[in-house]
Amino acid sequence: RKEVEQDPGPFNVPEGATVAFNCTYSNSASQSFFWYRQDCRKEPKLLMSVYSSGNEDGRFTAQLNRASQYISLLIRDSKLSDSATYLCVVNHNAGKSTFGDGTTLTVKP
Amino acid sequence: DTAVSQTPKYLVTQMGNDKSIKCEQNLGHDTMYWYKQDSKKFLKIMFSYNNKELIINETVPNRFSPKSPDKAHLNLHINSLELGDSAVYFCASSMTGGTEAFFGQGTRLTVV
Repeated sequence: RKEVEQDPGPFNVPEGATVAFNCTYSNSASQSFFWYRQDCRKEPKLLMSVYSSGNEDGRFTAQLNRASQYISLLIRDSKLSDSATYLCVVNHNAGKSTFGDGTTLTVKP
Repeated sequence: DTAVSQTPKYLVTQMGNDKSIKCEQNLGHDTMYWYKQDSKKFLKIMFSYNNKELIINETVPNRFSPKSPDKAHLNLHINSLELGDSAVYFCASSMTGGTEAFFGQGTRLTVV
């Protein structure tokens, strides 16, 4: 079993749709969690950290469920510019971040 | 000002050659990393340094040797390049291990 697993997609959605990604992790001692975004042929960039209480940033909502060992990312009112690969990241030892293999999202007009 | 910069951006070389990729960060971070992203776009950590000390060394062939002359620099030297080394190599840094990482633009290495 992979340490961090994501549904690779692709997710193809129309503009304005709501889309959700899940990510599961295997190490119950994992300490911090993030969602990154990577555009084609670019470097990954932090989208948002994920907190136990859940957090929201505009159209994006991230949640953490420690009991079930998964994190989620919800995107509301999808824009064309949201098209990218979304990477789930889990840190379980200081200095070691494990990236999921990414979920590809394409938002279509 | 670029926060994490790596050079070169593109590198095409023949099998068997030795090459280096340089990375510098001006964020004052203590931790730096090298990641490899293969043709399937999977991003895997290779090395992590904290204050010039190696703290993570994943299963990477010993042809790959990182060097950190100071905490703002982490270079990657690769000996005897093989076709399978073709990938995009990303340098990154973070305040400490486990916090938000900032990535360089990547070095696209092609071994022919």
